[in-house]
Amino acid sequence: EPEVTQTPSHQVTQMGQEVILRCVPISNHLYFYWYRQILGQKVEFLVSFYNNEISEKSEIFDDQFSVERPDGSNFTLKIRSTKLEDSAMYFCASNEGLMNTEAFFGQGTRLTVV
Amino acid sequence: AQSVTQPDIHITVSEGASLELRCNYSYGATPYLFWYVQSPGQGLQLLLKYFSGDTLVQGIKGFEAEFKRSQSSFNLRKPSVHWSDAAEYFCAVVLDSSYKLIFGSGTRLLVRP
Repeated sequence: EPEVTQTPSHQVTQMGQEVILRCVPISNHLYFYWYRQILGQKVEFLVSFYNNEISEKSEIFDDQFSVERPDGSNFTLKIRSTKLEDSAMYFCASNEGLMNTEAFFGQGTRLTVV
Repeated sequence: AQSVTQPDIHITVSEGASLELRCNYSYGATPYLFWYVQSPGQGLQLLLKYFSGDTLVQGIKGFEAEFKRSQSSFNLRKPSVHWSDAAEYFCAVVLDSSYKLIFGSGTRLLVRP
């Protein structure tokens, strides 16, 4: 069964460093998303990406964040200068973009900023 | 304000007992509705979904949910809970063609032996 894969599963970084979280969405999917879940809290939408551009972003997705689909298969989330409060689980998801279809989630990357 | 509400932060049930997790939404139109489950340290697994049609939907692992338009609710049920059902359960909605999910705050299910 096709699945969304995320790497790494866990990343520890120092405050102020740049991190890139990687995702490989399901191959025929057209919509890609990043969500964030701070420990013990709910899952929050960060950004959606369609047709090689951001289609929507939340208030959380400020100038420190960027997304890219560099090669037609990977979908990356970059945090330019990490802060302690960026520590969270980051989930990638993808969707076919057809009527009545659901999003499929990766297993997540746990980011710890120290 | 528009929101997805899961009023129960924690629920504890005995193994073999029935379960109902509540979810309410406050949006003008009927959204697409989903339940996801998250085991500790794991990703999100879709249990079931409602787009239209029959208001009682069946999902995986013996779960079902019923959409009630009059109550703006989409409660999750299971007739007999297993110890392996202990997890966090999230209700979520999709409001538009972006298919962006809006999640509730989750309900943590604990199962007593």
